[in-house]
Amino acid sequence: AQRVTQPEKLLSVFKGAPVELKCNYSYSGSPELFWYVQYSRQRLQLLLRHISRESIKGFTADLNKGETSFHLKKPFAQEEDSAMYYCALSGQGGSYIPTFGRGTSLIVHP
Amino acid sequence: DADVTQTPRNRITKTGKRIMLECSQTKGHDRMYWYRQDPGLGLRLIYYSFDVKDINKGEISDGYSVSRQAQAKFSLSLESAIPNQTALYFCATSDFDNSGANVLTFGAGSRLTVL
Repeated sequence: AQRVTQPEKLLSVFKGAPVELKCNYSYSGSPELFWYVQYSRQRLQLLLRHISRESIKGFTADLNKGETSFHLKKPFAQEEDSAMYYCALSGQGGSYIPTFGRGTSLIVHP
Repeated sequence: DADVTQTPRNRITKTGKRIMLECSQTKGHDRMYWYRQDPGLGLRLIYYSFDVKDINKGEISDGYSVSRQAQAKFSLSLESAIPNQTALYFCATSDFDNSGANVLTFGAGSRLTVL
């Protein structure tokens, strides 16, 4: 079985502060990890995926297989980063069907 | 035009009524999904389909049924709606990208309220 845990329902920071949204997973095989984001009044959309090792809108996430984590980080938060963030996992054992965490609401104050 | 279109966007209905939520896509993807979003519970998978002849139950399929009418169309039905089915419903499609990742494209969502 595959499972994704996002321990924080809400994360509130001030503009310019560092941000880390936590994601831990449970999966016996080799996982694919993703972060999806939902801005106010917009569709849920892919932010980044671990396999690409990319930085999108200043966000990065590193897969740590030892700690089974895929935390999302940004050194300096911006107000426009305020959104709902979902961590998702897929893998061969689950036919690559994404399983989502419960989501973390990020609020960046001016 | 949106790649994944859901109708209706909002619906209020009464307990016991039959409701159909429709999803159509222009992505040409074989894989389609229905998820339900509830505050604090995230997105939970209701049903998914890998092609027209393939239908599979997800995590929370009880009380729901689906129909894959064509590659581009995937409908979700509530045969007899109940209040705890009040939620935001998302349709999604997916394909494997150049990096081999199965990436979802979501519709705008259908907000259903059951009184």
